[in-house]
Amino acid sequence: KAGVTQTPRYLIKTRGQQVTLSCSPISGHRSVSWYQQTPGQGLQFLFEYFSETQRNKGNFPGRFSGRQFSNSRSEMNVSTLELGDSALYLCASSLEGVNGYTFGSGTRLTVV
Amino acid sequence: QQQVKQSPQSLIVQKGGISIINCAYENTAFDYFPWYQQFPGKGPALLIAIRPDVSEKKEGRFTISFNKSAKQFSLHIMDSQPGDSATYFCAASTQAGTALIFGKGTTLSVSS
Repeated sequence: KAGVTQTPRYLIKTRGQQVTLSCSPISGHRSVSWYQQTPGQGLQFLFEYFSETQRNKGNFPGRFSGRQFSNSRSEMNVSTLELGDSALYLCASSLEGVNGYTFGSGTRLTVV
Repeated sequence: QQQVKQSPQSLIVQKGGISIINCAYENTAFDYFPWYQQFPGKGPALLIAIRPDVSEKKEGRFTISFNKSAKQFSLHIMDSQPGDSATYFCAASTQAGTALIFGKGTTLSVSS
């Protein structure tokens, strides 16, 4: 079966701009989570959605937001980009919660 | 209380040797402990996971040892191969959790 698909794979944005990243989960998976990966901070949880509802949110500023659609696809948005937002953004899907996460290959965001 | 501490940061092992990576946690509510393997350009992939009701779990060459009283768990890779060269992350969550707390990762290099 198809894995978790994240688009685009690479993005270069300018400080102050906003960006939207997309994630298509494995078919049948209703839970979608987002993580930020950086060399300094490692993998940090951003938020989790289940059946279009945000169930959990990590310790990130309000500039980071997300949503989930009725087909379980998810988007995350970062507004007013800062240099420190440069990272690999990973999406993971599962049937329920953290059990059996499958990660996508991520979107590499570079803010210049 | 929410941290997961992972060591070592990097590890070099000869082909055929045993690779050992250790993690420690503080939050006694954690009851799900997965290990992930990540290759460059890819997202993390679930390798093996354990719950605290068992002290050891083995899948092929990969074994998790769990010490509940010490709040520590470790990954052992037997007969390490060059193809095992990757970054390994331990993580922890509650069973009903919707977010994983990750260790900072261990970069394993297996020399031939």
